[in-house]
Amino acid sequence: KAGVTQTPRYLIKTRGQQVTLSCSPISGHRSVSWYQQTPGQGLQFLFEYFSETQRNKGNFPGRFSGRQFSNSRSEMNVSTLELGDSALYLCASSLVASGKTDTQYFGPGTRLTVL
Amino acid sequence: AQKITQTQPGMFVQEKEAVTLDCTYDTSDPSYGLFWYKQPSSGEMIFLIYQGSYDQQNATEGRYSLNFQKARKSANLVISASQLGDSAMYFCAMRRGSTLGRLYFGRGTQLTVWP
Repeated sequence: KAGVTQTPRYLIKTRGQQVTLSCSPISGHRSVSWYQQTPGQGLQFLFEYFSETQRNKGNFPGRFSGRQFSNSRSEMNVSTLELGDSALYLCASSLVASGKTDTQYFGPGTRLTVL
Repeated sequence: AQKITQTQPGMFVQEKEAVTLDCTYDTSDPSYGLFWYKQPSSGEMIFLIYQGSYDQQNATEGRYSLNFQKARKSANLVISASQLGDSAMYFCAMRRGSTLGRLYFGRGTQLTVWP
């Protein structure tokens, strides 16, 4: 079974631009979560989606948004990019099934550099 | 508030030796899950092991075992027979409840295995 895939893997943007990152979960997984990882702040939670609904949102400004589609694929968008948005963006998917441990499996990440 | 503490920024171990990576957590929830992930320099977070708060026995997965001491709120990862490929960043994480929900991460421990 294929793992979580994220596209693109690397991205270079300039300040003020916007960017869209994509995440395809493991087949059958219904929940997708997004995390931002930086050397200074560590791993920070962005969003959690389940059945196309945002269930949780981290403490990020409104420039960060996301959505989940009916096939469980997810996208996140960052508008008006700032230098501080440079980070590794990790997507994780989980099965969400009664009686099963709900483990989040991560993709390889998208490394975003803002110049 | 949920909090994960990893007090060892870096650890060194010789090949074939065992090593323990420390993790303490803080939560007032009776139901929670504890996870360990490995992150090589490539960036992908690899799931290693899970322990539920109601599990009576310590979790084991191959060379990985979790030393769960509920009263002390600690969930240390033990890696037996270390291999050079174990060199990576290791993160302890916690989730409230048994399903869905964001992960709270520690700052990580950089493990270096030397020959």
